[in-house]
Amino acid sequence: EMQLLESGGGLVQPGGSLRLSCAASDFTFNSYAMAWVRQAPGKGLQWVSGITNRGVSTGYADSVKGRFTISRDNSNKTLFLQMNSLRAEDTAVYYCARDNPMTGMTPWGQGTRVTVSS
Amino acid sequence: IQMTQSPPYLSASVGDGVTITCRASQSISTYVNWYQQRPGNAPKLLIYTASTLQNGVPSRFSGSGSGTDFTLIISSLQPEDFATYYCQQSFGTPFTFGPGTTVDVK
Repeated sequence: EMQLLESGGGLVQPGGSLRLSCAASDFTFNSYAMAWVRQAPGKGLQWVSGITNRGVSTGYADSVKGRFTISRDNSNKTLFLQMNSLRAEDTAVYYCARDNPMTGMTPWGQGTRVTVSS
Repeated sequence: IQMTQSPPYLSASVGDGVTITCRASQSISTYVNWYQQRPGNAPKLLIYTASTLQNGVPSRFSGSGSGTDFTLIISSLQPEDFATYYCQQSFGTPFTFGPGTTVDVK
């Protein structure tokens, strides 16, 4: 069964950094685009960033542009999100998902919680 | 591209038919996906490209629309369907989501 497992979340002070990881299993990772989606407490879903299958092209939400960097290691089937200059409003559960504009986002990981607070 | 949904909340009973609408701020062809999220769980893909049912999703779910207006229909609500539903456009980045529609028990 296809699986995604996020890690790296935690408590960080405003202005700090965090690196999220998403380990993929049971599908051909280097054939698919991937994305990060977050959900602030009690709020809806927000697409954060996406990356093409070989990492050539990336995209970001305006709210994270210049602060977050998405990358991937296809040899180790892992997706990353480097988050710098973190703000209180970045507090959320961060999900990774396999992404295809034609067939939607599936599967999703279980999420990793990021809390930005002093 | 901005996505709006209506209604934001919907109270219904088991067996009811439910309709959720989603509107895009510009034409996006059929590049709309629908997700279901139960409390405490990750979202789950229900429908992609407006009307194609994801494998394993019950046939009581259906989607339609093109351009700017889209609809998700649940023909006969089941207990496991009480959840929040999101539309998402995949026409252009950022792939924005709608604000969600929560279906709860009447």
